[in-house]
Parts: sequence; structure tokens; C-alpha cells
Amino acid sequence: KAGVTQTPRYLIKTRGQQVTLSCSPISGHRSVSWYQQTPGQGLQFLFEYFSETQRNKGNFPGRFSGRQFSNSRSEMNVSTLELGDSALYLCASSLAPRANGADTQYFGPGTRLTVL
Amino acid sequence: AQSVTQLGSHVSVSEGALVLLRCNYSSSVPPYLFWYVQYPNQGLQLLLKYTSAATLVKGINGFEAEFKKSETSFHLTKPSAHMSDAAEYFCAVSLTGNQFYFGTGTSLTVIP
Repeated sequence: KAGVTQTPRYLIKTRGQQVTLSCSPISGHRSVSWYQQTPGQGLQFLFEYFSETQRNKGNFPGRFSGRQFSNSRSEMNVSTLELGDSALYLCASSLAPRANGADTQYFGPGTRLTVL
Repeated sequence: AQSVTQLGSHVSVSEGALVLLRCNYSSSVPPYLFWYVQYPNQGLQLLLKYTSAATLVKGINGFEAEFKKSETSFHLTKPSAHMSDAAEYFCAVSLTGNQFYFGTGTSLTVIP
């Protein structure tokens, strides 16, 4: 079974631009979560989608948004990019929502975003 | 309050030596616990997870972890380090109420 895929793997943008990242979960998984990883802040939760509904959201500004499609693929969008948005953005999928607790999240390779 | 704490942001061991990476959690009820590994420029890969079935959990690549409720710990160990074990390791805790937290990570260096 194919793993979680994320596109693109690398992105370079300039301040003020917007960006859209894509995540395709493992077949059959309906939950997709997004994380931001930076050296200073570590792994921070952005949001989770399950069956096209946002179930939970981390403490990020409204410039960060996401959505999930009927095939469970998810996108996240960052508008008005700032230098501090440079990070590795990781997507994780699971069968059940994170609230399930024991269900394992499977991670994609991430998208490395650099904001100049 | 920090729900999961990883002691030691950097750990160095010699090849063939014991690997011990520490993780402590704060929860009044036993949570679900996970260890993930991240190799450079890659995503996170699950090493093992504790879901209350057994306190000693065996994972991939020879790693194992023991859940100790009295110490609120879930330390990761491997008897003999290999060069390929060099990576970043993350402990994670899943609590009730859709709470899921990652530790700050421990970078493991294996010295030949």
C-alpha cells in the first residue's frame, strides 16, 4: 500500500506570496493532520481534517488554512507568507480521528518551504 | 504544562553501545505513547507504540520501550547501536480529548 505523499517536496517563495501544499493520505485513511516543524519550535500541530470537516485546529494565525476533499486528499494554504513560515510541513494520515488515541499517524516526507 | 518531556536534546553513543533515550509524560491517566524516528529530509516513521496491552513494547529496528506508570516514563532503548540509528527521535503522547503532543526530540549520534 502506498504511503502518504506530499507535493511539492521543496518550495521557495518570497514574502507576501501565498502557497498551497498537497497531501494524499494512505488509501482508506480518512483523517489528515498537518504539522509545522522548525528547529526552534519543534513539531507544532496546525489542524486536522476528517471526512472533509476540520476537527481541530492548533494555535496558528488565520493565514494558515486547509481543506479536505471527498477522496480524503488535503491541501493547506498559507497566505501572505512571512519569513517565519519557513519550515518543514508534515502531513500525517490515520484511519480514525486523532481523538481515537491509539490510532497510529503515518507521516509523509514533508514539504520544505523556504520564504525569502 | 508540558505533557511530554524528552531529556537530552542530543545523545551520543559509540557503535555497539546501549542506546537510551528518555521520555516522561504528565498525565493522571495512562495515555497512549509513541516513539517516532526522523531521518534527515524525511518524515516521521513509527518505531513503536504503547496502547496498554503490554508494558514492554517491541518496535522496529531492534528498539523497544517500557511503560512505567510509577515513573511516568516511556524510555526507548536498543541494546547495540548501529550507525544507521543516527537520526532524530520523537516521543509523543495521546491523551483524551483529542490531545496529541510531540516531545522536542532527541538527536542521536552514533560514533564509529
